[in-house]
Amino acid sequence: DAKTTQPPSMDCAEGRAANLPCNHSTISGNEYVYWYRQIHSQGPQYIIHGLKNNETNEMASLIITEDRKSSTLILPHATLRDTAVYYCIVSRNEKLTFGTGTRLTIIP
Amino acid sequence: DAGVTQSPTHLIKTRGQHVTLRCSPISGHKSVSWYQQVLGQGPQFIFQYYEKEERGRGNFPDRFSARQFPNYSSELNVNALLLGDSALYLCASSLGQLGSGNTIYFGEGSWLTVV
Repeated sequence: DAKTTQPPSMDCAEGRAANLPCNHSTISGNEYVYWYRQIHSQGPQYIIHGLKNNETNEMASLIITEDRKSSTLILPHATLRDTAVYYCIVSRNEKLTFGTGTRLTIIP
Repeated sequence: DAGVTQSPTHLIKTRGQHVTLRCSPISGHKSVSWYQQVLGQGPQFIFQYYEKEERGRGNFPDRFSARQFPNYSSELNVNALLLGDSALYLCASSLGQLGSGNTIYFGEGSWLTVV
């Protein structure tokens, strides 16, 4: 199974861009990268996903390196409500494999 | 539009009992997957069902079983409950199988406490 590695915690000032890295060096060619966040053990909230190309939506941008071994989630203007645990996940046909996540704290 | 709905939201069971958790996917979604999240850890994959067939299974004992109905709703059953089964059980749905690139949506989960 493709594994993901994330820093356990990060801080970001309110209003600044939050850049969350993820290493997935064993990812295979047909595995997608997904990002979710979870607040207070609620259900994980979908943020964004991609295969090879960079992606952007109303919540965030996903930058995937050319060799696909790592990616970065960018929250362009962090707010206090972005404080959560962020999970980088790789998906294959049979399962989703969650890592340990990054606890992002937005500082006023 | 209704999202992924799970029931019950909270329940308490005694060791040795069994439990059934239910999940209704988003309308039109044919894939349902189940996860166990122990406090302080990330979710762990249990099962995926697609088109009413099991398509993937995580590293869980045979006490855990699931099924998917013709309307694509799903049940997760756990027999002979242990204290260690206490967790948040999450259900997720998507149009296609996991790995197909579809957006995967999670429900709010069912909190199970085993005493």
